[in-house]
Order: sequence, then structure tokens, then C-alpha cells
Amino acid sequence: NAGVIQTPRHKVTGKGQEATLWCEPISGHSAVFWYRQTIVQGLEFLTYFRNQAPIDDSGMPKERFSAQMPNQSHSTLKIQSTQPQDSAVYLCASSLGGIYAEQFFGPGTRLTVL
Amino acid sequence: GDQVEQSPSALSLHEGTGSALRCNFTTTMRAVQWFRKNSRGSLINLFYLASGTKENGRLKSAFDSKERYSTLHIRDAQLEDSGTYFCAGSGTGGYKVVFGSGTRLLVSP
Repeated sequence: NAGVIQTPRHKVTGKGQEATLWCEPISGHSAVFWYRQTIVQGLEFLTYFRNQAPIDDSGMPKERFSAQMPNQSHSTLKIQSTQPQDSAVYLCASSLGGIYAEQFFGPGTRLTVL
Repeated sequence: GDQVEQSPSALSLHEGTGSALRCNFTTTMRAVQWFRKNSRGSLINLFYLASGTKENGRLKSAFDSKERYSTLHIRDAQLEDSGTYFCAGSGTGGYKVVFGSGTRLLVSP
């Protein structure tokens, strides 16, 4: 079991460019979560998929951020027109499902927007 | 919203000694997880508790949902235990895990 896989591990973009982050959940896990971690805000919930369906995107900035889960083996987080304040570590987690199920985190993608 | 206060923020231990980390929750949590961030920055799952206590080697965790706290005890600390430890609770938001701010543990000879 390779755990949750996130690619790339590091990404540097220029202001205004697009960034796409990838997550491969643990096989058999039906729930996928995206979080963002910054020194100032700590860990913030972004969005949640269950059985590939978007359940809750209440943490997603309304503009420029979108997430998809086209199949059970991967999810993407896309940030359009990146801004310096988007710089953070983006974490993906998966769980077997169930509202309070244990979550397993990937290593994160460190996004730096210059 | 749900908040987690984790203490201490930093802890220094000599090899062979022990201590406890604590997380206080502002609301009732249904479950708590403890993680350690490894040298590569990945969060390693240590414990998942819906109640009671669990023990794994030199680590022991307890969770009291009613009293709104969880603890992580480390005994006979070893150099390789150094790192940052986080608690996280599943509260009113269910799947929206809320994290403590972390405890940076340094174990020295």
C-alpha cells in the first residue's frame, strides 16, 4: 500500500498562471479530501468527495479554485490565475468513508507562486 | 467553529524520559487522530480514537469526548521520536478534520 500519492511534490508558478495538483487516494477508499496548510492559517479544509461525487466545497475560494474527481483513482485541484497568496502546502487525504472515518494524508504539494 | 488548542507548542526531552501532549477542544469531537510529521513532511497516522485509550509501543493516547480533550503520552523517548506531532478532531463538521497547531518535540541525548 503506497498510501495517498500526491504529485508534484513541489510546484513553482508565476503569478497569473494555472496550477493543477494531483491526488491518488488509497485504493478502496471512497472519500477524498483536499486541505490547504499555511503558517498563518494552519490547516484549512477545502473540499470533499465521496464516491467521486462532490459533497462539500465550502472551503474552496469561490473564484479560481476548482476540484474534480473523474474516477475513483484520482482527484485534481486546479487553481487558475494563481496569486502569491495561494502559496501553501496542499494536502490530499482519503478515508474508507463514513462521516468520522480515519483520514490518511498524502505528503502534500508545496505550491509557490512568484 | 471547532477549535483545537494543542500544548505545549514545543517540548524538549532527554532520551529515556517521557511526557504528554494535550489537545483541548472547544466543542464535542466524535473522534481524534494523532499524527507525526516525518522528515519528508508526510503526516504519519499514530492513533485514531473514538473513545478510550490506545497504546502502541512507547506511545499511548487517550480521548475523552465528554471532557473535550485528548492526550498523547510518550515514554522512554528516543532520538527518532523527534519531530512535530499534531492532533486532529472530527467534530460538528464530521469529515472536516480540524488540526491543532502542533507540538515540536526534540529528544536529545
